[in-house]
Amino acid sequence: GAVVSQHPSWVICKSGTSVKIECRSLDFQATTMFWYRQFPKQSLMLMATSNEGSKATYEQGVEKDKFLINHASLTLSTLTVTSAHPEDSSFYICSAATGVGEAFFGQGTRLTVV
Amino acid sequence: DAKTTQPTSMDCAEGRAANLPCNHSTISGNEYVYWYRQIHSQGPQYIIHGLKNNETNEMASLIITEDRKSSTLILPHATLRDTAVYYCIVRVGGGNQGGKLIFGQGTELSVKP
Repeated sequence: GAVVSQHPSWVICKSGTSVKIECRSLDFQATTMFWYRQFPKQSLMLMATSNEGSKATYEQGVEKDKFLINHASLTLSTLTVTSAHPEDSSFYICSAATGVGEAFFGQGTRLTVV
Repeated sequence: DAKTTQPTSMDCAEGRAANLPCNHSTISGNEYVYWYRQIHSQGPQYIIHGLKNNETNEMASLIITEDRKSSTLILPHATLRDTAVYYCIVRVGGGNQGGKLIFGQGTELSVKP
């Protein structure tokens, strides 16, 4: 299947700082990528839809000013967690869909805010 | 997108077939059934999807009932590495929105020696 790569796999940051997570589709172009977060023992929750060349669409309850999404090219989307706090500690996962609609996921980024 | 119902957990003996059920009684005619699984601390892995015909690939088989209100994912010879949370998702397939998946709680499958 198609390959989606996330970087970094894990990150620890201090409270109040910002963290950028990259999501790349390595062998296909993705005009649309998706960002999820997952707390321990819970399912994945869709945060936003990232559209190449346009503004992201955020799900209800997700703060767009806190979770900045940029989709500058057909193979790269970034999620920046601004002014991170301990409650933002979570597992962040991106996905991208191929032209036939199958979604492939990155390996996830474990964010710990201390 | 239609809602799905799955058992919270299941056990399966290694080497035996694992049959994971999913109910989706409100599925619409243009909605596909997708199956993903998530091994601990990894991103979800695509397994299989189908519309109304049964499907098979190298990983699993998908059996969809004639009325499409339920389906079963079959792992023919489960191994310890198949221990994971399995998610059944129904949605309109194809196109850029094909990646917008709404995850339920899934079934935690434990394969035991």
